[in-house]
Amino acid sequence: EVQLVESGGGLVQPGGSLRLSCAASGFTFSSYWMHWVRQAPGKGLVWVSRIKGDGSSTSYADSVKGRFTISRDNAKNTLYLQMNSLRGEDTAVYYCARGCRDDWCNWLDSWGQGTLVTVSS
Amino acid sequence: SYELTQPPSVSVSPGQIVSITCSGDKLGDKHACWYQQKPGQSPVLVIYQSNRRPSGIPERFSGSNSGNTATLTISETQAMDEADYYCQTWDTSTVVFGGGTKLTVL
Repeated sequence: EVQLVESGGGLVQPGGSLRLSCAASGFTFSSYWMHWVRQAPGKGLVWVSRIKGDGSSTSYADSVKGRFTISRDNAKNTLYLQMNSLRGEDTAVYYCARGCRDDWCNWLDSWGQGTLVTVSS
Repeated sequence: SYELTQPPSVSVSPGQIVSITCSGDKLGDKHACWYQQKPGQSPVLVIYQSNRRPSGIPERFSGSNSGNTATLTISETQAMDEADYYCQTWDTSTVVFGGGTKLTVL
């Protein structure tokens, strides 16, 4: 059974930093693209970033480019999201999600339970 | 940047058919997928590659994609189908979600 467990959320001041983690199990982690998706309170889903299975390729939404960095440690089956220069509009539940094995597809077939990030003074 | 547009809300009576649309420029040339999200829960993939169902998703969920519109259809809608539904596609290296549609089963 695929399991994704996020951690690292919390309250942070504007301009601060936070690192989210997502522990994966139940599948060959290094074979899959992994994504971060966020959802502000009462709002819709917004894609944040993705990383290829071997870590060789990444991409970001314009709203986080230059501030957030996605990475992975395949030896630890863990996905990360380093978030710097945080703003109030970054307040959201952050989900990690499993993508595809292949480069051409981008559906997300398994999701974690999410971790809440609140940016406020 | 690429955008997907969904109606904010749709309602249906139990046992009836309901369709939720998702519009985007030449969306039919891309792959579309759909997610169901119930209150307080994480999203669940219900349709991928425009018209394929993951294992465990009931047959009453189906999808189509042509022209500028992808459509999620739920036949014989049940009370348990009441949820928010999101379409999604991708453009070059970025992933795009629609704004979501709240399905109410009256």
